[in-house]
Amino acid sequence: ILNVEQSPQSLHVQEGDSTNFTCSFPSSNFYALHWYRWETAKSPEALFVMTLNGDEKKKGRISATLNTKEGYSYLYIKGSQPEDSATYLCAFNDYKLSFGAGTTVTVRA
Amino acid sequence: DVKVTQSSRYLVKRTGEKVFLECVQDMDHENMFWYRQDPGLGLRLIYFSYDVKMKEKGDIPEGYSVSREKKERFSLILESASTNQTSMYLCASIHGRTGGEKLFFGSGTQLSVL
Repeated sequence: ILNVEQSPQSLHVQEGDSTNFTCSFPSSNFYALHWYRWETAKSPEALFVMTLNGDEKKKGRISATLNTKEGYSYLYIKGSQPEDSATYLCAFNDYKLSFGAGTTVTVRA
Repeated sequence: DVKVTQSSRYLVKRTGEKVFLECVQDMDHENMFWYRQDPGLGLRLIYFSYDVKMKEKGDIPEGYSVSREKKERFSLILESASTNQTSMYLCASIHGRTGGEKLFFGSGTQLSVL
């Protein structure tokens, strides 16, 4: 079983604060690294798909970086808002798509 | 608007029953996936298919089989349902797997096996 690990498992953030969390994955057979946001009672939705070492992607207040040589990706949320509360999943694509267990973010107003 | 449709939102079945979970996508995607989601474990890959009649085992295939007779439809089959298969099941599809494309998910099927 592929080892895709996310940390921390959960975190609580005050509204307006910034935060970040990690996805680690094997550094071999890399095609892409995906990030998804999963809100309660909805389907997971794609945030980013990154394919190149050093990739940086940004969508509003959320951004992500990728280091394929050392096998990690960071997701950053700047100025957290209550609507950012969700579980954030990363998926490693080495031909099949394997997910980590997710980081659940709760933003307190 | 692109769509992945799972046939049931909630299902209740009895131990030993044969259960079919259906998934249909309208995006002409080659690749389709079945995952199950359990608290603290994230999404675990059961099976995937990269073409009609082609399938590969994921990380937890035991107790499951799949069928892909048409490109748009990918079915998950629980041959003899057991209580440890109570879970949320998610179907997803993607066009190509080696580039920068993203997965599209269905809304999930919450299966309870009594």
